[in-house]
Amino acid sequence: NAGVTQTPKFQVLKTGQSMTLQCAQDMNHEYMSWYRQDPGMGLRLIHYSVGAGITDQGEVPNGYNVSRSTTEDFPLRLLSAAPSQTSVYFCASRPSNNEKLFFGSGTQLSVL
Amino acid sequence: GENVEQHPSTLSVQEGDSAVIKCTYSDSASNYFPWYKQELGKRPQLIIDIRSNVGEKKDQRIAVTLNKTAKHFSLHITETQPEDSAVYFCAASEVRGTYKYIFGTGTRLKVLA
Repeated sequence: NAGVTQTPKFQVLKTGQSMTLQCAQDMNHEYMSWYRQDPGMGLRLIHYSVGAGITDQGEVPNGYNVSRSTTEDFPLRLLSAAPSQTSVYFCASRPSNNEKLFFGSGTQLSVL
Repeated sequence: GENVEQHPSTLSVQEGDSAVIKCTYSDSASNYFPWYKQELGKRPQLIIDIRSNVGEKKDQRIAVTLNKTAKHFSLHITETQPEDSAVYFCAASEVRGTYKYIFGTGTRLKVLA
């Protein structure tokens, strides 16, 4: 099993550009989520999903969209990037019968 | 909304001493409390967790205690070693409800040789 795979690892965007951060897991986990990590702010939940076709907002959802068309994939879309979205983004997943959260390796995003 | 407060934000200890990190949560429905260790440039890794029906859990040099009445839980690391230097995050979750994990803001632990 590859676990939780995030791509890309690094990305630089200009203000106003759009992009999608990819997250895939091969563990058949029902729960998937996106966090952003900023210095001194910890990990803040952006969006999460408890299964295919079901998504919900976390603590800081503004400026981000998600969809969950399959169990394996949970992409995060930035529609119009802003410098405030410069951060490290982590995707995480867990099965419905276990509380342990598995993290991807992260995407470092800079918006200029 | 739900909130998890974590203290201190930085902690320096001498090698061999103990380190204690404390967290307080606001949502009384929370029933699962994990602790994550994050080394520089790496992903967070689960090091220990505790469920609400348990007051204390220990795994070698690390232990976690939970006080449900006061809504706080703590991480204890004994006999600290240089490789314990990292950022530690606590979290709270209601795993059979919303599935949301709310994280604390992190503690940067430095173990001085």
